[in-house]
Amino acid sequence: GAGVSQTPSNKVTEKGKYVELRCDPISGHTALYWYRQSLGQGPEFLIYFQGTGAADDSGLPNDRFFAVRPEGSVSTLKIQRTERGDSAVYLCASSLNGGLAGNNEQFFGPGTRLTVL
Amino acid sequence: AQSVAQPEDQVNVAEGNPLTVKCTYSVSGNPYLFWYVQYPNRGLQFLLKYITGDNLVKGSYGFEAEFNKSQTSFHLKKPSALVSDSALYFCAVRDLNSGYALNFGKGTSLLVTP
Repeated sequence: GAGVSQTPSNKVTEKGKYVELRCDPISGHTALYWYRQSLGQGPEFLIYFQGTGAADDSGLPNDRFFAVRPEGSVSTLKIQRTERGDSAVYLCASSLNGGLAGNNEQFFGPGTRLTVL
Repeated sequence: AQSVAQPEDQVNVAEGNPLTVKCTYSVSGNPYLFWYVQYPNRGLQFLLKYITGDNLVKGSYGFEAEFNKSQTSFHLKKPSALVSDSALYFCAVRDLNSGYALNFGKGTSLLVTP
């Protein structure tokens, strides 16, 4: 079956611009996660959705970052006034369910490589 | 707080030899532990997980991992390495007391030579 997909695969933008990154989770997965992976590092958690609501956004670095999941499926990560330090690979993952007792593995998409010039 | 340490940046092993990729963790509660593999230009792929029960967990592609509570370790192992196993391996932990996210180590690059 189809896995997690992310678009675009690559995004190059200029400092100060606004970008949107899209994630299509596996069908039927209620939990969706965004991570950011910098070069030479493991993924770092940004935000977690259970259904339509953001259950945990403690990983968002500042108020320039925002994410939505209006219908409980596709999610969009939005970055305002991009800075060079935002350059990284942004990963999306989904799991069958989440919650504090959820032990389901997360399935990752291929990521969007964001480059801010 | 939860954290994961992968003490080796790179592990080199000859094809056919056993391999071990090390991982230690720190959590305040009971851990859920995971291993993922990342091939170039591809997403993270799930290998195996430890939730509860048998300390030896078997996963995809012949990999296994042993949960050791006293040493707070979850090392990844394979009895006989393949050249195709060469990739970047990430250990991750989830602490039920700390929320929903996976906390990843920085990764270990495995190179299997013919």
